[in-house]
Order: sequence, then C-alpha cells, then structure tokens
Amino acid sequence: GAGVSQSPSNKVTEKGKDVELRCDPISGHTALYWYRQRLGQGLEFLIYFQGNSAPDKSGLPSDRFSAERTGESVSTLTIQRTQQEDSAVYLCASSLVGGAMNEKLFFGSGTQLSVL
Amino acid sequence: QKEVEQNSGPLSVPEGAIASLNCTYSDRVSQSFFWYRQYSGKSPELIMSIYSNGDKEDGRFTAQLNKASQYVSLLIRDSQPSDSATYLCAVGDNDMRFGAGTRLTVKP
Repeated sequence: GAGVSQSPSNKVTEKGKDVELRCDPISGHTALYWYRQRLGQGLEFLIYFQGNSAPDKSGLPSDRFSAERTGESVSTLTIQRTQQEDSAVYLCASSLVGGAMNEKLFFGSGTQLSVL
Repeated sequence: QKEVEQNSGPLSVPEGAIASLNCTYSDRVSQSFFWYRQYSGKSPELIMSIYSNGDKEDGRFTAQLNKASQYVSLLIRDSQPSDSATYLCAVGDNDMRFGAGTRLTVKP
C-alpha cells in the first residue's frame, strides 16, 4: 500500500475485554514498531520486529500485552483484560531496514483506544 | 533502560526568531538520531536525520550532534507560525526510542 495502515482507527471497549489492533506496514519494509502515546505524552516504545529475527519485546508494559507479525507483513497488537490506563493512541511505524544506521520511520494514523 | 530526555516546554518564540530544541540520550552506542514533528492529533513526521558528529542543515532546519556529550539539538531559523507543533527527538539503531517531546509555539 501507499502508507502504513492501521485499523480500527477508533476502538471503545469495556474494562476487562480483550482488543486486537492491526497494522499493515509499507510493502517491503522489514522493520515494524509499535508505540503507545497517552494524551499529551511522548511515544512509549512497546515492541520492534525486524525481519525474521526474534522481536524486541522490552517495552511491553505487562503480560497483558502481546504482538505478532507474520513474516514481513501484517502485525497485530493484542491487549488482554484491558484496563482504563490502557487508553491511548497506539501507533505503528515501519521502515525499510532496521539495525545500524536506522532509517526513517513511516507512521500510521494510529488507533485511538478508549477503555471505559 | 535507554533514556531520551527533552525539555517538555512549552517553548514560545516570536515569528522570525530562532527556536532551539535540545535532547540528551543515555545509550552511548547509538548511531542514529532523528527529529520528528507532530502536529496535534496527527502522527509524527520526519524532519531531520543525523548520524555523524557536527551540524547538518536542511533549509531552515539545522541538526547538531555531539556523541561525546550524548547531545543532539535542532535549530529552526526564521520560525513560522506553521512550525508550531511538538518536536520529538528519537534515538536508536534497533529499538528506536523517543523523548517526551517539546511543544513549540511560534507567535505571529
């Protein structure tokens, strides 16, 4: 596609429910990132995928959060038993190649998650 | 824990002035440094990348990197009201980390 696509754009859920967020990176981009941005805050790193290497999960805030990526394509971020503090914009970004001398990140429009 | 620190601001400058944004980072081995701009309600977009010590200029923007001091800055010359946004510093070769951002307001 022309850019990074995220769905849904908005998600309202009840506390305790599970949610799944989807990211379609730019075709050919081997690196994919998930970030969380709370209102008025910076980008909080969650997880990084690079090709077929083991993902860097060091930013996931708890075991309620998990993410998968199929090869170099779609990624899903799953939040189990959502809590109100999970309310934020979840941003996905991809780049042509990660690693040394990193490349520009292209961001999706984000998913606004609201946990009631 | 890899840290990227920025003054949260807000920073306010008059139109035509120079805006100076600063960032420090903790990971000494990082080779890749970026400045992103984020308008309210929008996703970040890249302004500058810098990989070597010294200055890098692109139009009204100049990025400065000092790896010994673990410091990277962004200067915006002839600031315009359209430059009003949050500026995010990003550091990292794999797990790219962002600072909290500095909110800049350019007053006409």
